[in-house]
Amino acid sequence: EPEVTQTPSHQVTQMGQEVILRCVPISNHLYFYWYRQILGQKVEFLVSFYNNEISEKSEIFDDQFSVERPDGSNFTLKIRSTKLEDSAMYFCASSGDRNIQYFGAGTRLSVL
Amino acid sequence: AQSVTQPDIHITVSEGASLELRCNYSYGATPYLFWYVQSPGQGLQLLLKYFSGDTLVQGIKGFEAEFKRSQSSFNLRKPSVHWSDAAEYFCAVGVGGSYIPTFGRGTSLIVHP
Repeated sequence: EPEVTQTPSHQVTQMGQEVILRCVPISNHLYFYWYRQILGQKVEFLVSFYNNEISEKSEIFDDQFSVERPDGSNFTLKIRSTKLEDSAMYFCASSGDRNIQYFGAGTRLSVL
Repeated sequence: AQSVTQPDIHITVSEGASLELRCNYSYGATPYLFWYVQSPGQGLQLLLKYFSGDTLVQGIKGFEAEFKRSQSSFNLRKPSVHWSDAAEYFCAVGVGGSYIPTFGRGTSLIVHP
């Protein structure tokens, strides 16, 4: 069964450093998403991406965040200058028809 | 804006017992409703969804959920729990025009042998 793949599974970084979280969505999907889950809190929507541009974003997704689909398979989330409060599990999801999103296993980001 | 409440942080059941996980939503119209499960080290897997029609929906792994408009609820049920059902369960609501689900805090299911 096709699945969404995220790498790395765990990323440790120093405060102020840039990180790139990588995702390979399901191959024929057109809609892509990033979510985050701070430990003990809800899963929160960050951004959705369609047709090579952002279609929706939450208030969390500020100028420190960016997304890119650099080639036909990868979908990345970049955090330019990480803060302690960026520590969370980041989930990528993709969707073929917008109705159902398929999630990856997540990347745990630890900012020290 | 819509919101989702999962009143139980933890639920403990014995293997073979029945299960009901509660979910209440707040939204003025009929929302799209979802239940996801997250096993340790795994992503969120869709168990079932409600968009319209029959208010009792069947999902994977023997789960079902019932949409009750009068109670603004979408509770998840399973008649007989297996040890492999131990996981985190998330209820989510989406609204028309945006398919971005708003998630509840999750309910952690513990299954005793």
